[in-house]
Amino acid sequence: EIVLTQSPGTLSLSPGERATLSCRASQSIDSNYLGWYQQKPGQAPRLLIYEGSSRAAGIPDRFSGSGAGTDFSLTISRLEPEDCAVYYCQQYGSSPRTFGQGTKLEIK
Amino acid sequence: QVQLVESGGGVVRPGRSLRLSCAVSGFAFSDYVMHWVRQAPGKGLEWVAAISNDGSNQDYADSVKGRFTISRDNSKNSLYLLMNSLRPEDTALYYCARSYFWFSDFDYWGQGSLVTVSS
Repeated sequence: EIVLTQSPGTLSLSPGERATLSCRASQSIDSNYLGWYQQKPGQAPRLLIYEGSSRAAGIPDRFSGSGAGTDFSLTISRLEPEDCAVYYCQQYGSSPRTFGQGTKLEIK
Repeated sequence: QVQLVESGGGVVRPGRSLRLSCAVSGFAFSDYVMHWVRQAPGKGLEWVAAISNDGSNQDYADSVKGRFTISRDNSKNSLYLLMNSLRPEDTALYYCARSYFWFSDFDYWGQGSLVTVSS
């Protein structure tokens, strides 16, 4: 099983700042099988990034994904209050598909 | 528009069974792999099970293997999860989600159905 470890656990930033969220895998992953999801309180997860760096439909270009091997990141430039959420990375290239434990992003 | 609507959740005693359903609309259900993902209260996401577009292949997390069964009825645009021998640790919000390939991202999710296992 591929274990994904996200850091930091909580990130507190101000509107307009840049957020960088990390996802580290216990073994190398093909970046084509790495995704990021956003989950706001009381809502279902929403796909943000697929195949490591491709934005899902309707996702603003403030969100970007990058990385390779075991280290991946989600960057949110120019934070907005609506970006307050928990963000999860997921690998879907092998079974079991696994998620990181999440990073909670707070907007001051 | 794409919609996935879960139902069938509730409160059940340990050791009992429950069947969840996921009714879909707005897309060609038989073209997609379907999944169940759960989220315990205040916790993260855990993938539970997957079924191929024609129902011929299934895959399960070790935590539910042998107790849960995923199935689908393409004529009814519906996905199911039969949960047997339920345990308190199965308490969670259960989401259905779709992916286009066996190994690909989950691009649409339902709103979830809450299962509480308690005596």
